[in-house]
Amino acid sequence: ETGVTQTPRHLVMGMTNKKSLKCEQHLGHNAMYWYKQSAKKPLELMFVYSLEERVENNSVPSRFSPECPNSSHLFLHLHTLQPEDSALYLCASSQGSAGQETQYFGPGTRLLVL
Amino acid sequence: LAKTTQPISMDSYEGQEVNITCSHNNIATNDYITWYQQFPSQGPRFIIQGYKTKVTNEVASLFIPADRKSSTLSLPRVSLSDTAVYYCLVGASTDKLIFGTGTRLQVFP
Repeated sequence: ETGVTQTPRHLVMGMTNKKSLKCEQHLGHNAMYWYKQSAKKPLELMFVYSLEERVENNSVPSRFSPECPNSSHLFLHLHTLQPEDSALYLCASSQGSAGQETQYFGPGTRLLVL
Repeated sequence: LAKTTQPISMDSYEGQEVNITCSHNNIATNDYITWYQQFPSQGPRFIIQGYKTKVTNEVASLFIPADRKSSTLSLPRVSLSDTAVYYCLVGASTDKLIFGTGTRLQVFP
């Protein structure tokens, strides 16, 4: 256990559905991240939040919408996804984001878009 | 952002020492070098981090030459459970780290 939990662990959705991924960290960290890992591809950083403010958005399509209501919770709202969005979505947290902080990753949500 | 180059895969046997080298020719003065391990269907896990010379912890050692253009992760006496993908990351801040393709280590009995 890394102190970072993600729900659900598996999700199957149609292209017209709306769903949300949830991440919670129990480490007292101030920074949280969403990554996407497609099959046989490197992890792609999607969003970074530091002290509940978004600090990075790597040109992610608008069908992915993050939300960080407090420093312990991070959501990724999904709508009208495409089959190529099927991937493992990983959440991570770190004490801060401006330095070389260790990131603690959750187990991920395996998403399949039909 | 410093780009890293690692071997795509490596094979080893149980009990052997494994050394994985990462090249980062464009490393900047403020950049640190960090290694993560990832098992299938799990998130990456921090292994070790260093800036220069040698760093050792209970899991691995990290060797960094004076020019810092490369680094070597050393895993002593690997076991089957060390089969995983190992990522080398270089950067000055956590929010700008880039995970490359990593090195897939396969340990055989």
